[in-house]
Amino acid sequence: ETGVTQSPTHLIKTRGQQVTLRCSSQSGHNTVSWYQQALGQGPQFIFQYYREEENGRGNFPPRFSGLQFPNYSSELNVNALELDDSALYLCASSRSGGVGTDTQYFGPGTRLTVL
Amino acid sequence: AQSVTQPDIHITVSEGASLELRCNYSYGATPYLFWYVQSPGQGLQLLLKYFSGDTLVQGIKGFEAEFKRSQSSFNLRKPSVHWSDAAEYFCAVGANYGGSQGNLIFGKGTKLSVKP
Repeated sequence: ETGVTQSPTHLIKTRGQQVTLRCSSQSGHNTVSWYQQALGQGPQFIFQYYREEENGRGNFPPRFSGLQFPNYSSELNVNALELDDSALYLCASSRSGGVGTDTQYFGPGTRLTVL
Repeated sequence: AQSVTQPDIHITVSEGASLELRCNYSYGATPYLFWYVQSPGQGLQLLLKYFSGDTLVQGIKGFEAEFKRSQSSFNLRKPSVHWSDAAEYFCAVGANYGGSQGNLIFGKGTKLSVKP
């Protein structure tokens, strides 16, 4: 069984640019959640996708957007990058979206640096 | 609002000593509680989870946690720490967002260092 994978591992962008991060969910999982982890902080929920639809969103501006594909992989897009967007971006997959007892399995993350 | 507090930013213990990491939560209903561990530069690995039933939960790597509703706590324990346990530990509660459940609110983490 393949775990959650993310690409790229590291990324450096400049302010104002746009970035796309990718996540492949674990086999058998139809739900992907994205989190932002700033240095020295716990992860913060950005949004969740369940069967290709957004299924909940945290306190992030609209320039953070996402997609989920029929194979349940997902993308996180960030427009107009700001310095504060520098963080580790974590993707987590789970079996059935929106269920409190559903365990989320995390990928290794993408480290984004904005200069 | 739902929240998780981990009062200890950094803890150092000697190898072989016991460990307790504290976690307090604020949540209106019965919480779903989790402990995750993160090694440097890595993603999060689930150690254990509590949904209902027995308040003492066993996890991987010899960890356990006890849910105490009266204290709103879910502390993580290990009787004998190994050098490989050095990492950052996060407590999390399953949250509601706009009617959907299951997304996690994390504490700020406790960094564990292990002395030889």
